[in-house]
Amino acid sequence: QITLKESGPTLVKPTQTLTLTCTFSGFSLSTSGVGVGWIRQPPGKALEWLALIYWNDDKRYSPSLKSRLTITKDTSKNQVVLTMTNMDPVDTATYYCAHSRSYYDSSGYYQLPGFFDYWGQGTLVTVSS
Amino acid sequence: EIVLTQSPGTLSLSPGERATLSCRASQSVSSSYLAWYQQKPGQAPRLLIYGASSRATGIPDRFSGSGSGTDFTLTISRLEPEDFAVYYCQQYGSSSFTFGPGTKVDIK
Repeated sequence: QITLKESGPTLVKPTQTLTLTCTFSGFSLSTSGVGVGWIRQPPGKALEWLALIYWNDDKRYSPSLKSRLTITKDTSKNQVVLTMTNMDPVDTATYYCAHSRSYYDSSGYYQLPGFFDYWGQGTLVTVSS
Repeated sequence: EIVLTQSPGTLSLSPGERATLSCRASQSVSSSYLAWYQQKPGQAPRLLIYGASSRATGIPDRFSGSGSGTDFTLTISRLEPEDFAVYYCQQYGSSSFTFGPGTKVDIK
């Protein structure tokens, strides 16, 4: 049974750095074909993908936020950490972490992780002075 | 970056009706790297479809996905009361992933 849970501050001040931790169980991030991503959702708005880290430590970032984001993993603790610098009120959102996996498509070809099949409950982060 | 557009923004239907949701990409999505999610208020999204047409584990067969290239469709063959929600498409075919703005399916 795969579960994920986000933790971190609920309130940060503008210009501060946000650090969020995703603690998961039911899988290992050292297993080939596995990834963990971060997605956020401002109140009443759409989902926005932020970052993804793969089992081999390869990383992907949203181009528009790349300069502010860092994603790391601690395989021994079953955790993934996302840091976002220079927080602004527009960054107020629910932040989700989610599990991703590789798969074989209908033609039998191996495909890298990219969709998110298990999600945490999300954590609301408010940016305000 | 691939931009996804979803239409319509809102779809008002009655239970038992068929729902057809569209997701269009600004450029071709390679290898049909397209997923669909359902989200209800106060809940995390739930994966419905990946690889454009493969149903995720436990998803009823009234949900189906189709399409390739730049045009993708999610079809709900007969709406059940629990299907009224917001639906998002997501592409993961490029080095950066994107979500669409969502389609809300509400009760007519």
